[in-house]
Amino acid sequence: RKEVEQDPGPFNVPEGATVAFNCTYSNSASQSFFWYRQDCRKEPKLLMSVYSSGNEDGRFTAQLNRASQYISLLIRDSKLSDSATYLCVVNTGGSYIPTFGRGTSLIVHP
Amino acid sequence: ETGVTQTPRHLVMGMTNKKSLKCEQHLGHNAMYWYKQSAKKPLELMFVYNFKEQTENNSVPSRFSPECPNSSHLFLHLHTLQPEDSALYLCASSPDRGQTNEKLFFGSGTQLSVL
Repeated sequence: RKEVEQDPGPFNVPEGATVAFNCTYSNSASQSFFWYRQDCRKEPKLLMSVYSSGNEDGRFTAQLNRASQYISLLIRDSKLSDSATYLCVVNTGGSYIPTFGRGTSLIVHP
Repeated sequence: ETGVTQTPRHLVMGMTNKKSLKCEQHLGHNAMYWYKQSAKKPLELMFVYNFKEQTENNSVPSRFSPECPNSSHLFLHLHTLQPEDSALYLCASSPDRGQTNEKLFFGSGTQLSVL
């Protein structure tokens, strides 16, 4: 089983839609969790951390389910500019190595 | 000026060439990383340096040789590469290694093609 798994998509949604992605991780000792965004031919950039109690940043909501070992990202009122690949990152192990999922592609169309 | 700068942006090299990738960070961070990103695959961690000391080598072939002269600069020396080494090579930095909430700041990457 891969350490961090994501559905590659693409998720193809109209503007204004609500879309959610999940990411599962295999190591129950994982300590911290993040979502990064990567635009085509660009570097990944931190979107938001994921806290145990869940957290929100504008239209973006991140949640953590430790029992089922997954994190989620919800995007409300999708914009064309949200089109990108969303990378799940889990810091795992004693040395907290950031481990990336392969990413979920989102395409928002008019 | 961006926080993490990588050069060159693009590199084409033959299998017998020797080249180097350069990374510089202006964020005052103590940890630096090399990642490899191939098409349809997750980012693969290659090397980690913390306070100039290598702390991780993720079973990378010896044809990739990292160098970290100080906390602000990181190099990846390349020699006798194979075509399957063609990929986007990303440098990243973070404030400190070993922290649970380590956040990475990436450079723009070097797109490498090995002919």
